[in-house]
Amino acid sequence: DAGVIQSPRHEVTEMGQEVTLRCKPISGHDYLFWYRQTMMRGLELLIYFNNNVPIDDSGMPEDRFSAKMPNASFSTLKIQPSEPRDSAVYFCASSLAYSGGGETQYFGPGTRLLVL
Amino acid sequence: DQQVKQNSPSLSVQEGRISILNCDYTNSMFDYFLWYKKYPAEGPTFLISISSIKDKNEDGRFTVFLNKSAKHLSLHIVPSQPGDSAVYFCAASDRGGSEKLVFGKGTKLTVNP
Repeated sequence: DAGVIQSPRHEVTEMGQEVTLRCKPISGHDYLFWYRQTMMRGLELLIYFNNNVPIDDSGMPEDRFSAKMPNASFSTLKIQPSEPRDSAVYFCASSLAYSGGGETQYFGPGTRLLVL
Repeated sequence: DQQVKQNSPSLSVQEGRISILNCDYTNSMFDYFLWYKKYPAEGPTFLISISSIKDKNEDGRFTVFLNKSAKHLSLHIVPSQPGDSAVYFCAASDRGGSEKLVFGKGTKLTVNP
């Protein structure tokens, strides 16, 4: 398996522009997670999906952020409008279902976003 | 509030010696703990885990110890190798609650030849 695929790997944009990050999870995985990594806050969960349905979006910082999962093999994280403080590395991860929760997650390589 | 804390941002050790990375947690509902390793420009990769019913789990050079009463876990790497140089994240979950993992901020380990 190719693992979790994210695109683009790097994105530089100007403040106010729309940014769309993409993720293809590992085939057969039931859960998909979006994380943001910054020096100040570390690795924080933004939102996660189970079988394409958003389960918990309490980590989404504000209404400028939105995420969708139209099918089992694709998800997007959109920021509109983008701001300099959104600059970070965004990771997508996927995992299999586990009756007890907290199963091992497999991460993509990340998208490094810079908003000027 | 930070539920998972890694108080040492960095650690430097000599090749062949032991590396000990520490992690503290505050949520008593956490019952499953994981360590991830991250190289620059890559995503975190799973390293080792431990359930709260155990106090030790070993995998080759890597051993994780869990002290539930102290809400503390540690990762031991013996012997340390230069290829172990990476950022190590501690993560925890409440398996009865959800699929969420709560991560610490990470500790950057440097193993000097």
